Amino acid sequence: DAGITQSPRHKVTETGTPVTLRCHQTENHRYMYWYRQDPGHGLRLIHYSYGVKDTDKGEVSDGYSVSRSKTEDFLLTLESATSSQTSVYFCAISESGDRQETQYFGPGTRLLVL
Amino acid sequence: AQSVSQHNHHVILSEAASLELGCNYSYGGTVNLFWYVQYPGQHLQLLLKYFSGDPLVKGIKGFEAEFIKSKFSFNLRKPSVQWSDTAEYFCAVNAHGGSQGNLIFGKGTKLSVKP
Repeated sequence: DAGITQSPRHKVTETGTPVTLRCHQTENHRYMYWYRQDPGHGLRLIHYSYGVKDTDKGEVSDGYSVSRSKTEDFLLTLESATSSQTSVYFCAISESGDRQETQYFGPGTRLLVL
Repeated sequence: AQSVSQHNHHVILSEAASLELGCNYSYGGTVNLFWYVQYPGQHLQLLLKYFSGDPLVKGIKGFEAEFIKSKFSFNLRKPSVQWSDTAEYFCAVNAHGGSQGNLIFGKGTKLSVKP
């Protein structure tokens, strides 16, 4: 398995509170991604990063921000959590972002917003 | 916009039955195609992928998929399923011309295999 960890693995929070999820990789891969997984929707890309301090929006970026200050860490922040952001969040990595590359996924974070 | 359709939401099979899960995509250009599997409570793992060459691709655990360009399809098959194949299966596409590294996923197909 690729060296990807996510923290926390489970979180319960209240509407309106800020939440930060962390993805950490030991593979030194250039590209990192945040997805959310919801029943009936599959996985949808929130944001991705193609290098330190280089990020871009995905399909469902509203309400989320990201930061990448080091190659190994990619943070996802919900500035003010809403119930619609209750989901399972997966981080993924790929070496160079080439379209033929496999993306490797982390174990996921289950977030419940009450 | 690119999209991926997985027509079967939930498939229930008995052990030793044959499996075929459908995947269709909407993009007329060059594509890279992937099948991922998610076992209960686990993260996504790659089963197989296609980017060029032989359209019949073999993956792990006895799975294979066939890319049929004229039908915009990339169906997943396995001749004889086992109880341990119970999982959710996701088809994904990365189309040339789309955002670099941007995988578009289907909604997934849950497979339940009865022992």
